[in-house]
Amino acid sequence: AQRVTQPEKLLSVFKGAPVELKCNYSYSGSPELFWYVQYSRQRLQLLLRHISRESIKGFTADLNKGETSFHLKKPFAQEEDSAMYYCALKNTGFQKLVFGTGTRLLVSP
Amino acid sequence: NAGVTQTPKFQVLKTGQSMTLQCAQDMNHEYMSWYRQDPGMGLRLIHYSVGAGITDQGEVPNGYNVSRSTTEDFPLRLLSAAPSQTSVYFCASSYPRGELFFGEGSRLTVL
Repeated sequence: AQRVTQPEKLLSVFKGAPVELKCNYSYSGSPELFWYVQYSRQRLQLLLRHISRESIKGFTADLNKGETSFHLKKPFAQEEDSAMYYCALKNTGFQKLVFGTGTRLLVSP
Repeated sequence: NAGVTQTPKFQVLKTGQSMTLQCAQDMNHEYMSWYRQDPGMGLRLIHYSVGAGITDQGEVPNGYNVSRSTTEDFPLRLLSAAPSQTSVYFCASSYPRGELFFGEGSRLTVL
């Protein structure tokens, strides 16, 4: 069965500190992995996907198939990064998306 | 484009009442879905549709009905509301293989 695990409910860091939001998945097929973000009072939106291999707002995420992980990283956190972050997985060719439980990132000045 | 529009934004029901959460998208997306968001449980898929006339169950379908008579609309019906259905509901849509676009959410309280 598809499963996404985000072990941290809350991650609190100071501005300028590195950030790593953990995501592990279990799936036997060929998954596509995503990070979605929900800022306060805004709708959920796509942050990045592993197939794009891009950096958005300074965030990167690398798919590690050996460790079945897709951790989200940013070298220097900003206060505007404070939000709820969800890791999500879907099978290639299908649209059904399975989400993790989410990690709230709080960046303090 | 308005994107994905959900109504109502807030609703309070009594146990046993029924209601429909509306979802409409103007992007001609084939895929639409409903999620519920609960603290500590993330987003869980209730029902989804890959096109007009086609619906299927997600992870937590019990107590909910859906239909997809048009490409644009995907209403979620609560047949007999229960306190366990107190949640924030999100509708989302996408093209095949595309990014999922979400509505603003509907906060439902069942007393």
